[in-house]
Amino acid sequence: GAVVSQHPSRVICKSGTSVKIECRSLDFQATTMFWYRQFPKKSLMLMATSNEGSKATYEQGVEKDKFLINHASLTLSTLTVTSAHPEDSSFYICSALQAGTYSNQPQHFGDGTRLSIL
Amino acid sequence: SQKIEQNSEALNIQEGKTATLTCNYTNYSPAYLQWYRQDPGRGPVFLLLIRENEKEKRKERLKVTFDTTLKQSLFHITASQPADSATYLCALEGTDSSYKLIFGSGTRLLVRP
Repeated sequence: GAVVSQHPSRVICKSGTSVKIECRSLDFQATTMFWYRQFPKKSLMLMATSNEGSKATYEQGVEKDKFLINHASLTLSTLTVTSAHPEDSSFYICSALQAGTYSNQPQHFGDGTRLSIL
Repeated sequence: SQKIEQNSEALNIQEGKTATLTCNYTNYSPAYLQWYRQDPGRGPVFLLLIRENEKEKRKERLKVTFDTTLKQSLFHITASQPADSATYLCALEGTDSSYKLIFGSGTRLLVRP
């Protein structure tokens, strides 16, 4: 149980393109999802918290107009990297919390999206 | 500010031995700590959670300790196997208790056959 699917797994595109990444909870409802960015051999850096039916909460230093987040249903959150540039190339990972869980419950992660901007 | 430290150097051990990984934190007193496993190119997978009032937690060959005085957690894998080779991440609850997790940079474990 508690499976999170992230799509696509890999994207290669030209500079200036906007890229959408989907994060789906397959067998549970998730009122809260998180989006992380990870550089090689580095830790996961939280970018934003996505709450179903409300605006996302962004971490300090993350441009909300650059990284658009939509959480329109209890099973789907999307991250759109707008006008992507080579410095946006990274490994993006989402996670989800089961609806009704408390703060000390584990997060369920997708398998990440490798984004490469040429 | 809150800081989490894990040994950045890879841990290289022989199959069958016990692997011990360390997670130290400063400037914070989290109510719980979690450990995750991450394989290359994959997302983290939850392993264990330990609360501040628990000294030790076990799950099969895994054991986690939590010393709130030392501000340290130890993660042990007994009878290690090559399949245990991965990066292990510790994570603490965020300071604003909004379900956020703050992750350490992880320690890579390599178990030689």
